[in-house]
Amino acid sequence: EAGVAQSPRYKIIEKRQSVAFWCNPISGHATLYWYQQILGQGPKLLIQFQNNGVVDDSQLPKDRFSAERLKGVDSTLKIQPAKLEDSAVYLCASSLDWGSSYEQYFGPGTRLTVT
Amino acid sequence: AQTVTQSQPEMSVQEAETVTLSCTYDTSENNYYLFWYKQPPSRQMILVIRQEAYKQQNATENRFSVNFQKAAKSFSLKISDSQLGDTAMYFCAFMNSNTGNQFYFGTGTSLTVIP
Repeated sequence: EAGVAQSPRYKIIEKRQSVAFWCNPISGHATLYWYQQILGQGPKLLIQFQNNGVVDDSQLPKDRFSAERLKGVDSTLKIQPAKLEDSAVYLCASSLDWGSSYEQYFGPGTRLTVT
Repeated sequence: AQTVTQSQPEMSVQEAETVTLSCTYDTSENNYYLFWYKQPPSRQMILVIRQEAYKQQNATENRFSVNFQKAAKSFSLKISDSQLGDTAMYFCAFMNSNTGNQFYFGTGTSLTVIP
């Protein structure tokens, strides 16, 4: 089966610019996660969707970050305006929600550099 | 919120030897899942092994096994017969299925297998 797709793979922007990331989860996966992984740290959950509804966005900096999953399939994460501290890898993951299959499947990530 | 602690930022092991990575977590929940994920350099994160908290038997996947101590809230990963391809960051993760399947990751352990 096809894995989680993310684009772009790399992005370099200047501070105060805006940027958007795209994620297409594995077909049939109801839950979609966006993580921020700063160099040398573990992934930090930004937002979690169940179909097209938000389950948890408590760690999403809502003054500058936004995310949507309008049709319950693919998702976009936007940063506007970007700050230097937003430099990180943004990971998208998806999972099934039934039975015991709580495994998350990760995409390759988007490496963002803010200069 | 749940916390996951990995106290070993870096470890190394000789090829073919055995190494154990430690992980502790803090939760008041009784039913949850624990995971070890592997993130090779410049490659995407993949699941290594999963443990359901209600199962007393430790999970095993080929050369990978866990020592799950529920009372102590400890979840260590043992890698036997270490191979060069095991060189990667290893993340311990906690998931509570009762509260929306949110995942919490530790800060990771960088493992280097020495030839």
